[in-house]
Amino acid sequence: SSELTQDPAVSVALGQTVRITCQGDSLRSYYTTWYQQKPGQAPVLVIYGKNNRPSGIPDRFSGSSSGNTASLTITGAQAEDEADYYCNSRDNSGNHLVIFGGGTKVTVL
Amino acid sequence: EVQLVESGGDLVQPGGSLRLSCAASGFTFSSYSMNWVRQAPGKGLEWVSYIGTSSTTIYYADSVKGRFTISRDDAKNSLFLQVHSLTAEDTAVYYCARSTDLSEYHYFYMDVWGKGTTVTVSS
Repeated sequence: SSELTQDPAVSVALGQTVRITCQGDSLRSYYTTWYQQKPGQAPVLVIYGKNNRPSGIPDRFSGSSSGNTASLTITGAQAEDEADYYCNSRDNSGNHLVIFGGGTKVTVL
Repeated sequence: EVQLVESGGDLVQPGGSLRLSCAASGFTFSSYSMNWVRQAPGKGLEWVSYIGTSSTTIYYADSVKGRFTISRDDAKNSLFLQVHSLTAEDTAVYYCARSTDLSEYHYFYMDVWGKGTTVTVSS
Protein backbone atom coordinates (compact mmCIF):
# COMPACT_ATOMS: atom_id res chain seq x y z
CA SER A 1 0.00 0.00 0.00
CA SER A 2 0.99 3.65 -0.44
CA GLU A 3 2.49 5.83 2.25
CA LEU A 4 2.33 9.52 3.07
CA THR A 5 5.49 11.15 4.39
CA GLN A 6 5.57 14.25 6.59
CA ASP A 7 8.38 16.02 8.40
CA PRO A 8 8.10 15.21 12.12
CA ALA A 9 8.31 18.78 13.36
CA VAL A 10 8.54 22.39 12.28
CA SER A 11 8.62 25.66 14.17
CA VAL A 12 7.42 29.12 13.24
CA ALA A 13 7.68 32.52 14.86
CA LEU A 14 4.42 34.10 15.92
CA GLY A 15 2.85 35.89 12.99
CA GLN A 16 5.11 34.30 10.39
CA THR A 17 4.30 31.78 7.68
CA VAL A 18 4.91 28.04 7.87
CA ARG A 19 4.44 25.37 5.24
CA ILE A 20 3.92 21.72 6.08
CA THR A 21 4.45 19.17 3.34
CA CYS A 22 3.14 15.69 2.63
CA GLN A 23 4.55 13.38 -0.02
CA GLY A 24 3.10 10.24 -1.53
CA ASP A 25 2.13 8.61 -4.80
CA SER A 26 -1.55 8.59 -3.85
CA LEU A 27 -1.53 12.39 -3.92
CA ARG A 28 -1.30 12.21 -7.71
CA SER A 29 -4.79 10.66 -7.70
CA TYR A 30 -6.55 12.14 -4.69
CA TYR A 31 -6.81 15.58 -3.17
CA THR A 32 -5.03 15.81 0.17
CA THR A 33 -7.00 16.32 3.34
CA TRP A 34 -5.44 18.04 6.35
CA TYR A 35 -6.38 17.67 10.01
CA GLN A 36 -5.29 19.59 13.08
CA GLN A 37 -5.06 17.82 16.43
CA LYS A 38 -4.33 19.47 19.74
CA PRO A 39 -3.26 17.46 22.81
CA GLY A 40 -6.07 15.42 24.28
CA GLN A 41 -8.51 16.40 21.56
CA ALA A 42 -9.99 14.75 18.49
CA PRO A 43 -8.69 15.72 15.06
CA VAL A 44 -10.34 18.64 13.30
CA LEU A 45 -10.67 18.94 9.53
CA VAL A 46 -8.90 22.09 8.28
CA ILE A 47 -8.46 21.61 4.50
CA TYR A 48 -10.15 19.30 2.01
CA GLY A 49 -10.44 19.06 -1.74
CA LYS A 50 -8.62 21.50 -3.95
CA ASN A 51 -8.30 24.11 -1.17
CA ASN A 52 -11.52 24.14 0.83
CA ARG A 53 -11.89 25.17 4.44
CA PRO A 54 -14.79 23.98 6.59
CA SER A 55 -16.85 26.60 8.32
CA GLY A 56 -14.98 28.02 11.29
CA ILE A 57 -11.47 27.39 9.98
CA PRO A 58 -9.57 30.69 9.65
CA ASP A 59 -8.49 31.78 6.18
CA ARG A 60 -4.85 31.79 7.26
CA PHE A 61 -4.97 28.05 6.52
CA SER A 62 -4.57 27.10 2.86
CA GLY A 63 -3.70 24.03 0.86
CA SER A 64 -1.90 23.41 -2.40
CA SER A 65 -0.54 20.49 -4.36
CA SER A 66 1.91 19.68 -7.12
CA GLY A 67 2.58 16.20 -8.38
CA ASN A 68 3.10 13.88 -5.42
CA THR A 69 3.52 16.66 -2.86
CA ALA A 70 0.84 18.55 -0.98
CA SER A 71 1.32 21.49 1.32
CA LEU A 72 -0.59 23.10 4.15
CA THR A 73 0.36 26.74 4.68
CA ILE A 74 -0.41 28.78 7.77
CA THR A 75 0.00 32.45 6.91
CA GLY A 76 0.44 34.54 10.05
CA ALA A 77 0.64 31.70 12.55
CA GLN A 78 -1.07 32.22 15.88
CA ALA A 79 -0.33 30.65 19.24
CA GLU A 80 -3.49 28.56 18.96
CA ASP A 81 -2.18 26.97 15.76
CA GLU A 82 0.39 25.00 17.75
CA ALA A 83 -0.73 21.43 17.17
CA ASP A 84 -0.09 18.22 15.26
CA TYR A 85 -1.12 18.26 11.61
CA TYR A 86 -1.90 15.12 9.63
CA CYS A 87 -2.35 14.68 5.90
CA ASN A 88 -4.70 12.03 4.58
CA SER A 89 -5.95 10.56 1.34
CA ARG A 90 -7.11 7.32 -0.18
CA ASP A 91 -4.55 4.77 -1.27
CA ASN A 92 -4.34 4.76 -5.07
CA SER A 93 -3.18 1.17 -5.39
CA GLY A 94 -6.73 -0.07 -5.95
CA ASN A 95 -7.32 -1.55 -2.50
CA HIS A 96 -9.48 1.39 -1.30
CA LEU A 97 -7.55 1.87 1.89
CA VAL A 98 -7.31 5.19 3.70
CA ILE A 99 -3.88 6.45 4.67
CA PHE A 100 -2.49 9.09 7.01
CA GLY A 101 0.85 10.77 7.11
CA GLY A 102 2.87 10.39 10.28
CA GLY A 103 2.01 13.90 11.41
CA THR A 104 3.92 17.16 11.80
CA LYS A 105 4.22 18.88 15.14
CA VAL A 106 4.01 22.64 14.64
CA THR A 107 5.51 24.78 17.38
CA VAL A 108 4.74 28.51 17.43
CA LEU A 109 7.61 30.41 19.00
CA GLU B 1 -25.73 19.91 16.56
CA VAL B 2 -23.84 17.36 14.50
CA GLN B 3 -22.29 14.91 16.95
CA LEU B 4 -20.62 11.52 17.24
CA VAL B 5 -20.25 9.85 20.63
CA GLU B 6 -18.18 6.70 21.03
CA SER B 7 -18.52 4.18 23.85
CA GLY B 8 -17.49 0.66 24.74
CA GLY B 9 -13.80 1.14 25.37
CA ASP B 10 -12.38 -0.76 28.31
CA LEU B 11 -9.38 -2.49 29.84
CA VAL B 12 -9.25 -5.98 28.34
CA GLN B 13 -6.82 -8.87 28.56
CA PRO B 14 -4.77 -9.98 25.55
CA GLY B 15 -6.89 -12.21 23.35
CA GLY B 16 -10.07 -10.56 24.52
CA SER B 17 -12.91 -8.95 22.64
CA LEU B 18 -14.92 -5.74 22.77
CA ARG B 19 -17.73 -4.06 20.90
CA LEU B 20 -17.27 -0.35 20.30
CA SER B 21 -20.26 1.83 19.49
CA CYS B 22 -20.68 5.27 17.98
CA ALA B 23 -23.96 7.16 18.31
CA ALA B 24 -24.64 9.77 15.65
CA SER B 25 -26.96 12.73 15.92
CA GLY B 26 -27.74 15.98 14.14
CA PHE B 27 -27.41 14.65 10.59
CA THR B 28 -28.85 12.00 8.29
CA PHE B 29 -26.63 9.12 9.35
CA SER B 30 -27.72 6.79 6.56
CA SER B 31 -26.44 9.22 3.91
CA TYR B 32 -22.81 9.10 5.00
CA SER B 33 -19.98 6.63 4.94
CA MET B 34 -18.29 6.13 8.31
CA ASN B 35 -14.88 5.19 9.60
CA TRP B 36 -13.00 4.05 12.66
CA VAL B 37 -9.61 5.66 13.23
CA ARG B 38 -7.33 4.89 16.16
CA GLN B 39 -4.41 6.54 17.88
CA ALA B 40 -2.01 4.63 20.06
CA PRO B 41 -0.52 6.54 23.01
CA GLY B 42 1.97 9.12 21.73
CA LYS B 43 1.54 7.96 18.13
CA GLY B 44 -0.14 9.24 14.99
CA LEU B 45 -3.52 8.55 13.50
CA GLU B 46 -4.16 5.12 12.00
CA TRP B 47 -7.21 4.43 9.87
CA VAL B 48 -8.88 1.15 10.91
CA SER B 49 -12.02 0.58 8.86
CA TYR B 50 -14.56 2.11 6.48
CA ILE B 51 -18.20 1.30 5.82
CA GLY B 52 -20.15 2.83 2.96
CA THR B 53 -23.77 3.79 2.89
CA SER B 54 -26.14 0.85 3.17
CA SER B 55 -23.07 -1.20 4.20
CA THR B 56 -22.40 -1.80 0.50
CA THR B 57 -18.66 -1.44 0.80
CA ILE B 58 -16.43 -2.32 3.74
CA TYR B 59 -12.65 -1.99 3.98
CA TYR B 60 -10.13 -2.76 6.69
CA ALA B 61 -6.55 -1.87 7.40
CA ASP B 62 -4.26 -4.86 7.00
CA SER B 63 -3.37 -4.66 10.70
CA VAL B 64 -6.93 -5.52 11.76
CA LYS B 65 -8.29 -7.57 8.86
CA GLY B 66 -9.80 -10.81 10.09
CA ARG B 67 -10.02 -9.62 13.69
CA PHE B 68 -12.22 -6.52 13.50
CA THR B 69 -15.72 -6.21 12.03
CA ILE B 70 -17.38 -2.91 11.22
CA SER B 71 -21.15 -2.59 10.97
CA ARG B 72 -23.88 0.02 11.11
CA ASP B 73 -27.52 0.25 12.10
CA ASP B 74 -29.06 3.14 10.20
CA ALA B 75 -32.37 2.77 12.05
CA LYS B 76 -30.53 3.46 15.30
CA ASN B 77 -28.03 5.98 13.86
CA SER B 78 -25.22 3.83 15.15
CA LEU B 79 -21.84 2.56 14.03
CA PHE B 80 -20.09 -0.43 15.58
CA LEU B 81 -16.69 -2.06 15.67
CA GLN B 82 -16.45 -5.62 16.95
CA VAL B 83 -12.86 -6.34 17.90
CA HIS B 84 -11.42 -9.77 18.62
CA SER B 85 -8.04 -11.32 19.45
CA LEU B 86 -6.78 -8.07 20.93
CA THR B 87 -3.08 -7.50 21.48
CA ALA B 88 -1.12 -4.74 23.18
CA GLU B 89 -0.67 -3.15 19.74
CA ASP B 90 -4.43 -2.50 19.66
CA THR B 91 -4.21 -0.23 22.70
CA ALA B 92 -5.42 3.15 21.47
CA VAL B 93 -8.08 5.79 21.49
CA TYR B 94 -10.65 4.76 18.89
CA TYR B 95 -12.45 7.53 17.04
CA CYS B 96 -15.44 7.26 14.77
CA ALA B 97 -15.51 9.75 11.93
CA ARG B 98 -18.00 10.70 9.26
CA SER B 99 -16.64 10.76 5.75
CA THR B 100 -17.42 12.17 2.36
CA ASP B 101 -16.13 9.83 -0.29
CA LEU B 102 -16.33 11.08 -3.86
CA SER B 103 -13.81 8.92 -5.67
CA GLU B 104 -14.95 10.13 -9.07
CA TYR B 105 -13.92 13.64 -8.02
CA HIS B 106 -10.84 12.45 -6.12
CA TYR B 107 -12.18 13.59 -2.77
CA PHE B 108 -12.04 11.76 0.52
CA TYR B 109 -12.27 13.49 3.84
CA MET B 110 -13.55 12.97 7.36
CA ASP B 111 -15.34 16.06 8.55
CA VAL B 112 -16.96 15.05 11.84
CA TRP B 113 -15.14 13.20 14.61
CA GLY B 114 -16.17 11.91 17.98
CA LYS B 115 -14.08 12.44 21.12
CA GLY B 116 -12.97 8.81 21.14
CA THR B 117 -13.16 5.79 23.41
CA THR B 118 -10.10 4.20 24.97
CA VAL B 119 -9.19 0.55 24.54
CA THR B 120 -6.39 -0.73 26.74
CA VAL B 121 -5.10 -4.26 26.22
CA SER B 122 -3.12 -5.47 29.19
CA SER B 123 -2.91 -8.40 31.56
